[in-house]
Amino acid sequence: GESVGLHLPTLSVQEGDNSIINCAYSNSASDYFIWYKQESGKGPQFIIDIRSNMDKRQGQRVTVLLNKTVKHLSLQIAATQPGDSAVYFCAVVTGGGNKLTFGTGTQLKVEL
Amino acid sequence: DGGITQSPKYLFRKEGQNVTLSCEQNLNHDAMYWYRQDPGQGLRLIYYSQIVNDFQKGDIAEGYSVSREKKESFPLTVTSAQKNPTAFYLCARSILRYGTGELFFGEGSRLTVL
Repeated sequence: GESVGLHLPTLSVQEGDNSIINCAYSNSASDYFIWYKQESGKGPQFIIDIRSNMDKRQGQRVTVLLNKTVKHLSLQIAATQPGDSAVYFCAVVTGGGNKLTFGTGTQLKVEL
Repeated sequence: DGGITQSPKYLFRKEGQNVTLSCEQNLNHDAMYWYRQDPGQGLRLIYYSQIVNDFQKGDIAEGYSVSREKKESFPLTVTSAQKNPTAFYLCARSILRYGTGELFFGEGSRLTVL
């Protein structure tokens, strides 16, 4: 099976600072990883993904880092804005399967 | 809405009643999923379907039922056998039939049992 956990349930940052949200997974056969953002009362929205043959992928203001040696995944948000306030989930697919296993989420709070 | 529509957004039911949540997608995608979300927790998979007239149980299928008679529709019934049905329910679609790929979620349905 697979278990996924985030390191901090809540993260507070100042507007303009960089944010780093961490995630750990248990199964070394995991091969696809996704970060989702969920605003209050809404469904999760895709942010960025990465496959196990990569260790870094960048998007607009976001970067995902994958360390397969220690089974760790992180999401970095540059120049954090108030609109980034949300719960962030990592999700993991193992062995080309059909199911995503989600972590418990980190609440990102942006202070003005 | 990411091409997927859930209804109703809020639903109340009395204990012992079945209730059906609607999920419709208009992008002709093969795979559809139902997740449950409880406060402070991640999403847990209830059922998924990769093709019409076929579906598989997820991690917490007990007390739920689904059907996939049409490609665009994947309704979820929360039965009276579900012991703790109050939750936020999320439907999702995926382009890929096999292999999850990226999921696109609806806006969710919040069910409260009185």
